[in-house]
Amino acid sequence: GIQVEQSPPDLILQEGANSTLRCNFSDSVNNLQWFHQNPWGQLINLFYIPSGTKQNGRLSATTVATERYSLLYISSSQTTDSGVYFCAVPTGGFKTIFGAGTRLFVKA
Amino acid sequence: GAGVSQSPSNKVTEKGKDVELRCDPISGHTALYWYRQRLGQGLEFLIYFQGNSAPDKSGLPSDRFSAERTGESVSTLTIQRTQQEDSAVYLCASSLVPGRETQYFGPGTRLLVL
Repeated sequence: GIQVEQSPPDLILQEGANSTLRCNFSDSVNNLQWFHQNPWGQLINLFYIPSGTKQNGRLSATTVATERYSLLYISSSQTTDSGVYFCAVPTGGFKTIFGAGTRLFVKA
Repeated sequence: GAGVSQSPSNKVTEKGKDVELRCDPISGHTALYWYRQRLGQGLEFLIYFQGNSAPDKSGLPSDRFSAERTGESVSTLTIQRTQQEDSAVYLCASSLVPGRETQYFGPGTRLLVL
C-alpha cells in the first residue's frame, strides 16, 4: 500500500520563526489533506490540496503531485501553532492513510 | 451548524467487557470514518461508510471490532471482550463527498481498558 512519510518528526521553534513541513508519498494520489492536532487532541483540517498552492493566513501549502510531495509553510509562528501536523492521503478507494506527523513546539 | 460529536468523551472499562462508542456526523455528510490513535502515535484507519454502500472494513484489527451506521446518520463502533491494547482515542470523521472533500473530526472517545 501507499506509504506516507513526514519530516521532520519533531520541531522546536522560537515564536516568530518560519518553518516548512514536508510530506512524501509513495504513489500517485488524487487528494491530500493537512491537519493540525492541538495539544488537547482535537484535529482541525487546514488544507484540502490535491495539487497547487493554497494560503490561509500565516499558513500555506503546496502539493506537487507529479513529484509526490506536499509542503506546509508556517510563517511568523505563534505558541498556538504548537501541536502535531498530519498529512493524509487516500488509498484503495476512500480509505485514508495518515503520516506519523510532525510534532511542533513553539517557544514564547 | 454543529460539528461531529462523539460520546462518551471518556470510557474506563475492565478487560473482557464490551464497549460501544457513538458518532454523530455533520448533517448531510454522506461519508463517515472511524480511526484509532494510540498514545503519541498517528491515526489508524478502521472503517469507512458511504451512504448505503457496503462499508470498507479493511482496517478493523480483529473480529472483536464491529461498526454500524444507519443510513447517513449515527454510527456506533463496538469493541467486544476488550483488551488492554485497545486503550486509545477513537476518532470519528465525516465528509460531504468522499475523496473530494476534507474530513471533519469529532473530539474523540478516550478509552482505557484496565
